[in-house]
Amino acid sequence: AQSVTQLGSHVSVSEGALVLLRCNYSSSVPPYLFWYVQYPNQGLQLLLKYTTGATLVKGINGFEAEFKKSETSFHLTKPSAHMSDAAEYFCAVRLAGAGSYQLTFGKGTKLSVIP
Amino acid sequence: KAGVTQTPRYLIKTRGQQVTLSCSPISGHRSVSWYQQTPGQGLQFLFEYFSETQRNKGNFPGRFSGRQFSNSRSEMNVSTLELGDSALYLCASSARAAEAFFGQGTRLTVV
Repeated sequence: AQSVTQLGSHVSVSEGALVLLRCNYSSSVPPYLFWYVQYPNQGLQLLLKYTTGATLVKGINGFEAEFKKSETSFHLTKPSAHMSDAAEYFCAVRLAGAGSYQLTFGKGTKLSVIP
Repeated sequence: KAGVTQTPRYLIKTRGQQVTLSCSPISGHRSVSWYQQTPGQGLQFLFEYFSETQRNKGNFPGRFSGRQFSNSRSEMNVSTLELGDSALYLCASSARAAEAFFGQGTRLTVV
């Protein structure tokens, strides 16, 4: 079975500051890892994903994440926060090679950006 | 390419009633998964359909059911609604394991 832990249910940063959202996972087999963003009363939008290959993954809106197998982590970063980044962020894991496309999500981190 | 379409967007039902939600996946995608999102439990997997067959099921009571049609459109049904079924129901469409695209969701309120 797989699980995802997101450290910090709420993170506040100043506009222009570094954004760091933490995600740790557990998985018995190589995982696929995803970050999604959700705005109020909206669905989930894919920010970026890790499947295989390069461990530093770049996504949309200036976000990136690094897969660290030894630390079982997939933290999301952005060098400079914008007001429009205020939203809820979800880390998710899917087992590679499994016979299902089920995603297991973390509890989410709500990002506030202070002007 | 059109995205994942869920209908209706908002729904209000009374306890004891039943409800059917619809999801049209991205063209060519054969996998449709459903998730329930609540403030307390977060995002929880309901079930997944692939080529009209249920491939996986989460830990929900039998009141929750679904189906998929030959055109990959999917419906989920909740019978005998309870107050605790109030949630945002999200549908995800996939063509392969390395992707999942979500619809806008259906906000169900049970009163």
